[in-house]
Amino acid sequence: QQQVKQSPQSLIVQKGGISIINCAYENTAFDYFPWYQQFPGKGPALLIAIRPDVSEKKEGRFTISFNKSAKQFSLHIMDSQPGDSATYFCAASSGNTGKLIFGQGTTLQVKP
Amino acid sequence: DGGITQSPKYLFRKEGQNVTLSCEQNLNHDAMYWYRQDPGQGLRLIYYSQIVNDFQKGDIAEGYSVSREKKESFPLTVTSAQKNPTAFYLCASSIGGVPGANVLTFGAGSRLTVL
Repeated sequence: QQQVKQSPQSLIVQKGGISIINCAYENTAFDYFPWYQQFPGKGPALLIAIRPDVSEKKEGRFTISFNKSAKQFSLHIMDSQPGDSATYFCAASSGNTGKLIFGQGTTLQVKP
Repeated sequence: DGGITQSPKYLFRKEGQNVTLSCEQNLNHDAMYWYRQDPGQGLRLIYYSQIVNDFQKGDIAEGYSVSREKKESFPLTVTSAQKNPTAFYLCASSIGGVPGANVLTFGAGSRLTVL
C-alpha cells in the first residue's frame, strides 16, 4: 500500500512533442505529490508538486494532472526540448515528515 | 551558496570492509535523509533523522548505520553486513516538521562499487 507505481520506464519523444509520465498510488493518506528531475551523475531536484485539493498545476511547460478518485497523477511536458532529457521520478508522502515514497523512474530522451 | 555536500563522489570497497559516506548541509535544515538508488527501482529510504541525536530506520536499513551528532552532518556507514552495497547513495535534507517539510534538497550523490 506504500508503493507508487510509475510508467513508462523509458520514453522517447521528438523535439516539440508532449511527454507524458504516469504514476499510481494506493495509500489514500498521501497528501503531497512531487515530481523530481535528475540529470546523469547528479542528485534529483524538485520540478513541480501538487496537493490533492486541486486537479491540475502548471508551471511553464510542466503540468501535473491529478485524479484523486482514480489515485493517479501524471506529468505532462509540453514542447519537449533536448534539455529535458533526464530521469523523472514521481513521489508521494503524507503529513510533514519529508519521507517520500518514490516511483521507479522514467528515463526521457528528447530527440532533436 | 547553500547546499548539500556529499563525499566521496566515487568509492571502491573490497568485500568485508565498512565504508562511511559523508553528508554535510549548510541549509540550516532540521531533517536529513539517506536514499539508495538502483536502476529501475527508484529511490529507497535507508535512514532519516528529524532532529540531532535522533534517527529512524527507513525501508531498507539492514546493513547500514548512521549518526546525527551535529545538525549539519549525517554520515552513513555501509557495513560488511550489507549484502549488495553497490549503488548510488543520495543524501537529502528538508526543513522538517512544518508545512513545506516534505520539499527535499538532494546532494550530488556518492557512487559505491564493491570489488
